[in-house]
Amino acid sequence: KAGVTQTPRYLIKTRGQQVTLSCSPISGHRSVSWYQQTPGQGLQFLFEYFSETQRNKGNFPGRFSGRQFSNSRSEMNVSTLELGDSALYLCASSLAGGQPQHFGDGTRLSIL
Amino acid sequence: EDKVVQSPLSLVVHEGDTVTLNCSYEVTNFRSLLWYKQEKKAPTFLFMLTSSGIEKKSGRLSSILDKKELSSILNITATQTGDSAIYLCAVEEYTGGFKTIFGAGTRLFVKA
Repeated sequence: KAGVTQTPRYLIKTRGQQVTLSCSPISGHRSVSWYQQTPGQGLQFLFEYFSETQRNKGNFPGRFSGRQFSNSRSEMNVSTLELGDSALYLCASSLAGGQPQHFGDGTRLSIL
Repeated sequence: EDKVVQSPLSLVVHEGDTVTLNCSYEVTNFRSLLWYKQEKKAPTFLFMLTSSGIEKKSGRLSSILDKKELSSILNITATQTGDSAIYLCAVEEYTGGFKTIFGAGTRLFVKA
């Protein structure tokens, strides 16, 4: 059974640009959550999607957005990138939420 | 504000030692407490503890949830170098959708 797949693995952008990250959950998993991981703040919750609906959102500015498609794949978008957005972005999936999550290896985003 | 606090932040032990990692939490709508192990990139699931399952054990690892004290411990006996990792405590809450709040993690280094 394939795990959670995130693409791309690495990304370098400059301030002001926007970026889209992709996440393919484990087959059959309908809940997808996104996290930002930095050395200073640890793992911080961004949002959770289930059946194409955002069910919960963390304390991040509106520049961070996402969506989920009918096949449960999810994308996260960050607009007007800032230096502080440099981080490892992790996606995790579970059957329906409320179960242990399976994490992808993340996308390492660097802002120059 | 909801928060999860782990201690110690880092720990160095010798092979064969027993370690206890601590986690305390303050969340509004507690559903479960989870422990993850992060070695390089993707955190991997260890235990999930809920009101109906407050003690879990798997090999040399065990965990207990104290709902009265709003805390949990993760015990590792007879540590091995392969146990070296960051151990993350997370609390899941439900407010119409699932939200997982992570602690900063405990970095464990096991010396040979």
